[in-house]
Amino acid sequence: QVQLQESGPGLVKPSQTLSLTCTVSGGSISSGGYYWSWIRQHPGKGLEWIGYIYYSGSTYYNPSLKSRVTISVDTSKNQFSLKLSSVTAADTAVYYCARDFSITPSGSWFDPWGQGTLVTVSS
Amino acid sequence: EIVLTQSPGTLSLSPGERATLSCRASQSVSSSYLAWYQQKPGQAPRLLIYGASSRATGIPDRFSGSGSGTDFTLTISRLEPEDFAVYYCQQYGSSPLTFGPGTKVDIK
Repeated sequence: QVQLQESGPGLVKPSQTLSLTCTVSGGSISSGGYYWSWIRQHPGKGLEWIGYIYYSGSTYYNPSLKSRVTISVDTSKNQFSLKLSSVTAADTAVYYCARDFSITPSGSWFDPWGQGTLVTVSS
Repeated sequence: EIVLTQSPGTLSLSPGERATLSCRASQSVSSSYLAWYQQKPGQAPRLLIYGASSRATGIPDRFSGSGSGTDFTLTISRLEPEDFAVYYCQQYGSSPLTFGPGTKVDIK
């Protein structure tokens, strides 16, 4: 079955760029049919959808983060990545990658999810 | 943006009891594009229900979803010890995708 695993620095300085990678195993991003998404959860809080990428490179971002977000894909490595620029303490969160079943152009439900990685923004 | 409100915030019940969780949308969710997730401490959310009422693979039939328009319900018919967790609803009928704030089901 498909599994996802996030990786990247757990500490980022304010104003810098947060960079995370999600490695997909048990299935190929290139197969199509799914979007590959990033979602975050602020400590003790709810969930916020960040955006997704399709294997072709097409992306769709949450308007609230669009100006700072870039999601890219490397099909040769079966990975997709998140970059969030100009981070502040408000970007401290657990970041999850997940597979989206692409029912609508905006996305759909998420299954499965990676285990999540905590990124703290602090000097 | 569709805002999802979940109630109650916390539900205190005993194993074997029935749990009824509500998710209300600020505007109609098209085509019942609503999902439910379960999250336990330190874990990622797990998909339970999609399309308002379709159970995800491997989800026990004690979990059921219903509703349409702006009002949706997740029902757990008989709580098992492993069901005590936080439950989130999520809509995908409109951009951006949004989640509710969650309902915590804890042991009474």
